[in-house]
Amino acid sequence: NAGVTQTPKFQVLKTGQSMTLQCAQDMNHNSMYWYRQDPGMGLRLIYYSASEGTTDKGEVPNGYNVSRLNKREFSLRLESAAPSQTSVYFCASEVGGGGQTQYFGPGTRLLVL
Amino acid sequence: QKEVEQNSGPLSVPEGAIASLNCTYSDRGSQSFFWYRQYSGKSPELIMFIYSNGDKEDGRFTAQLNKASQYVSLLIRDSQPSDSATYLCAVGETDSWGKLQFGAGTQVVVTP
Repeated sequence: NAGVTQTPKFQVLKTGQSMTLQCAQDMNHNSMYWYRQDPGMGLRLIYYSASEGTTDKGEVPNGYNVSRLNKREFSLRLESAAPSQTSVYFCASEVGGGGQTQYFGPGTRLLVL
Repeated sequence: QKEVEQNSGPLSVPEGAIASLNCTYSDRGSQSFFWYRQYSGKSPELIMFIYSNGDKEDGRFTAQLNKASQYVSLLIRDSQPSDSATYLCAVGETDSWGKLQFGAGTQVVVTP
């Protein structure tokens, strides 16, 4: 039981390049989330998926897109990376139905030059 | 704009002492409250959650909730060097099932 997994662990991009961050969970959770964490700013929600087939914007969605591929997988895409997107990205999952206890993946460190 | 406020610290605590962390929130309708611990370079891990006013104890950790004052706290008794980490307060949003609003975290340093 791996919990929440994320790939890659670390990535360097040049401005304007695109990439997809992958997230998968094996806990049969309904809800999944993408956050970014910047120094001194805590975790900010980018997008979330309350259940398979649905996605919604969070606090900071600009410059990102998501896909809930199936119940297990939730990917985050940067279409044209900018230096302001340099951050640590965390995926989380939650059983759904209002429990609100979220479990986090190990994170992806992204550096945009 | 819903806000969750924490002192950034660092909070320096002697080994064996009690660490007291505070968190205030702006969403008066919030019903669920969480404390996460985050070691440097690692992901947040859940320590405790609390839904009702009062105290909830789990081992060396006690969460305290006062909804009238919109205040939640975490006490760490018998602090150990392994407790040195950043502690994130998270509050469930009332208008969105499952979403959490996180504070920026309080860094705790336990000194031997």
